[in-house]
Amino acid sequence: TQLLEQSPQFLSIQEGENLTVYCNSSSVFSSLQWYRQEPGEGPVLLVTVVTGGEVKKLKRLTFQFGDARKDSSLHITAAQPGDTGLYLCARNQGGKLIFGQGTELSVKP
Amino acid sequence: EADIYQTPRYLVIGTGKKITLECSQTMGHDKMYWYQQDPGMELHLIHYSYGVNSTEKGDLSSESTVSRIRTEHFPLTLESARPSHTSQYLCASSGPGQNYGYTFGSGTRLTVV
Repeated sequence: TQLLEQSPQFLSIQEGENLTVYCNSSSVFSSLQWYRQEPGEGPVLLVTVVTGGEVKKLKRLTFQFGDARKDSSLHITAAQPGDTGLYLCARNQGGKLIFGQGTELSVKP
Repeated sequence: EADIYQTPRYLVIGTGKKITLECSQTMGHDKMYWYQQDPGMELHLIHYSYGVNSTEKGDLSSESTVSRIRTEHFPLTLESARPSHTSQYLCASSGPGQNYGYTFGSGTRLTVV
């Protein structure tokens, strides 16, 4: 059973464009984390969202946690080639992190 | 500077060989994890440990085994490697609390020929 569904699975855009990726679940989660993974490396934590409706900003990245705590989104403004990577959302289940399948983002110069 | 170290980074090995993937962390974290990931795909939890002498199997069935004799060290062993074990193996650790983020190593890319 896929507990976390991410969309889109692949996204290829030009430098300077804006984009949004989504993470959805059929069940409520107490918190959600977003990670970014570059090829050949391990994921790196970007943010943890805890409160329904919460919005967090990290430079050009804006993270939102849905009011019902069943979904989250990541918005990137004016994407740059350095943003290229696999974006993963993850929820804590029984003390362990369960990951979505990821969104593979490619930003072309 | 990495606080969690995995060796080797890359390993090509013949079928039937025994291998051990090393993972060490310097953060004093009690919780450590092993994930398996195919290129560009989601991570699947194969083993975890909440402290010394504590190990559990994860959600994805794996023929590998782990040990946790010291807090900082969480090696993974395959007794007899097979081509189906070809994958990337990622080690992670986390501090206390449900919302604590994971710190991942750079991974070991294993190829069994």
